Amino acid sequence: DAKTTQPPSMDCAEGRAANLPCNHSTISGNEYVYWYRQIHSQGPQYIIHGLKNNETNEMASLIITEDRKSSTLILPHATLRDTAVYYCIVRGTNTGGFKTIFGAGTRLFVKA
Amino acid sequence: NAGVTQTPKFQVLKTGQSMTLQCAQDMNHNSMYWYRQDPGMGLRLIYYSASEGTTDKGEVPNGYNVSRLNKREFSLRLESAAPSQTSVYFCASSDVAGGTYEQYFGPGTRLTVT
Repeated sequence: DAKTTQPPSMDCAEGRAANLPCNHSTISGNEYVYWYRQIHSQGPQYIIHGLKNNETNEMASLIITEDRKSSTLILPHATLRDTAVYYCIVRGTNTGGFKTIFGAGTRLFVKA
Repeated sequence: NAGVTQTPKFQVLKTGQSMTLQCAQDMNHNSMYWYRQDPGMGLRLIYYSASEGTTDKGEVPNGYNVSRLNKREFSLRLESAAPSQTSVYFCASSDVAGGTYEQYFGPGTRLTVT
């Protein structure tokens, strides 16, 4: 599976949009981009995933560039409860895709 | 639904002791996983089970064994605990083999080996 690069930390003001970038320049055609987050001491929580098109759900939006080499997770109106570590993961759909590799992620601080 | 449950929540072991971490899921998922997370680090995959009856090594399998007891349960055993195995252990499950799927995680077991 392709590796990802994320900034180690970011700040965001409460109520503003949080835009978390992820670089995955070695992504291959059948690999999806997944985002998870981990609030302090809890197990990771799935947020969203996508292949080519932009995706939106009740938690967030995922914007994937046309060349698929990078993506951005958008939390439209960040709250204090969104303070967490956010993981960007790239994984294929074949059996090797079981080996989901979590990197260090981006620690997002939402400030009042 | 309880989702993914793990027992115990906390455990302290002495070096050389053994123990088994238990994990169960009630979502009828085929695949289950064990991860460890050291302080300030991301998760690392220890073992996974793509389906009932199969298990495979992940990134850091040394010092661990697993058993997929049935479709619901996946246990992790430390035969002879070492201080380097002090960590938080997360179990996860997911729906299908391959394809697109998300993983659901349990609350974790905090293990200290002295």
